[in-house]
Amino acid sequence: AQSVTQPDIHITVSEGASLELRCNYSYGATPYLFWYVQSPGQGLQLLLKYFSGDTLVQGIKGFEAEFKRSQSSFNLRKPSVHWSDAAEYFCAVGAENQGGKLIFGQGTELSVKP
Amino acid sequence: SQTIHQWPATLVQPVGSPLSLECTVEGTSNPNLYWYRQAAGRGLQLLFYSVGIGQISSEVPQNLSASRPQDRQFILSSKKLLLSDSGFYLCAWSGHSPNEAFFGQGTRLTVV
Repeated sequence: AQSVTQPDIHITVSEGASLELRCNYSYGATPYLFWYVQSPGQGLQLLLKYFSGDTLVQGIKGFEAEFKRSQSSFNLRKPSVHWSDAAEYFCAVGAENQGGKLIFGQGTELSVKP
Repeated sequence: SQTIHQWPATLVQPVGSPLSLECTVEGTSNPNLYWYRQAAGRGLQLLFYSVGIGQISSEVPQNLSASRPQDRQFILSSKKLLLSDSGFYLCAWSGHSPNEAFFGQGTRLTVV
């Protein structure tokens, strides 16, 4: 069965520091992978997605993620965090025959220190 | 461009009362539609999805039901709310080919 694990429930980083949010997935075939961001009380906004091709994908707001098949990981990174990046981040996995039916991780809450 | 509307934004309902949350999509036709629930401190759980009018699949047994009376309208309902139905409900749409889901702004439901 598909599953997504985000090992870190809460991460705090200083503004300007680099960021890496971890995501591990379990899926028997090539997954479709996504990172979403959620501000408090809001819906989810897509940051980036991986379907195929280049394993390093660029997203909005300066985020990138790297698909590593050997590690079943799709970690999200940003070289320099801004205070406005404080939010909750969700990794999700989908399948080729399931459209937008996604399995989400539990989320990682990011706090940014001034 | 496509947009998704979800209302109301917040709702406080007594236990045992009915529920109706509505979601509509504009700018696309024949979308896949989804209802997710997000409980406090937890990820998103898929409740229902629909690939067409009148076609509803339930992912988890629960006190809720969903209907799709029109192509771009998706409704989440309950006849009698339970305390455990409290949460943040998100509607989403996607295309039928592999693609990302686009989310509404959510409804915060508090059952008291």
